[in-house]
Amino acid sequence: TQLLEQSPQFLSIQEGENLTVYCNSSSVFSSLQWYRQEPGEGPVLLVTVVTGGEVKKLKRLTFQFGDARKDSSLHITAAQPGDTGLYLCAGELGNNRKLIWGLGTSLAVNP
Amino acid sequence: DTEVTQTPKHLVMGMTNKKSLKCEQHMGHRAMYWYKQKAKKPPELMFVYSYEKLSINESVPSRFSPECPNSSLLNLHLHALQPEDSALYLCASSQDRGAAVYNEQFFGPGTRLTVL
Repeated sequence: TQLLEQSPQFLSIQEGENLTVYCNSSSVFSSLQWYRQEPGEGPVLLVTVVTGGEVKKLKRLTFQFGDARKDSSLHITAAQPGDTGLYLCAGELGNNRKLIWGLGTSLAVNP
Repeated sequence: DTEVTQTPKHLVMGMTNKKSLKCEQHMGHRAMYWYKQKAKKPPELMFVYSYEKLSINESVPSRFSPECPNSSLLNLHLHALQPEDSALYLCASSQDRGAAVYNEQFFGPGTRLTVL
């Protein structure tokens, strides 16, 4: 059973388009992280959300944590080829140091 | 310094070899992690060290042996691996519970391991 459902799994868009990636669960998370990973490299932390309803912006990326802390979204405005990569969400249940991972969204932004 | 470093970047080993992966962080973090990642999959947790003590072992085969010599260093000793152990091995670190209320993990660049 996948505790954190991430969608879509694959996304191929043209430069300049907008997109949204979703992570959904029936579990309540104490925090949720979004990472971006390039092939052969480690995940890079983009943002951590901890408060229900929280919205954080990182340039053209907007992250939202659901009011009930069960879901999160990542919205990219005017995507650029440099945004290409694997986007991963990971949530923490309780405080046992283990992250629950989504399966990832592989994004390709074509020039 | 907000970086986690890992060496080597690439490693090729035979099934009878013994090798070690190394990880270092200088962020003052007291929790360190080993993950295994297969292509196009999320990282799978292997081990967690907290204050230099092993706190989580996710039923990892004994051919993988972790070691935490001090709060900045984490090693993963490899022996008698199988071809299916070929993967990207990632190290991560995070602050201890007293310093942060949430588990924000910072990853190294990984070691690409190939077992022949």
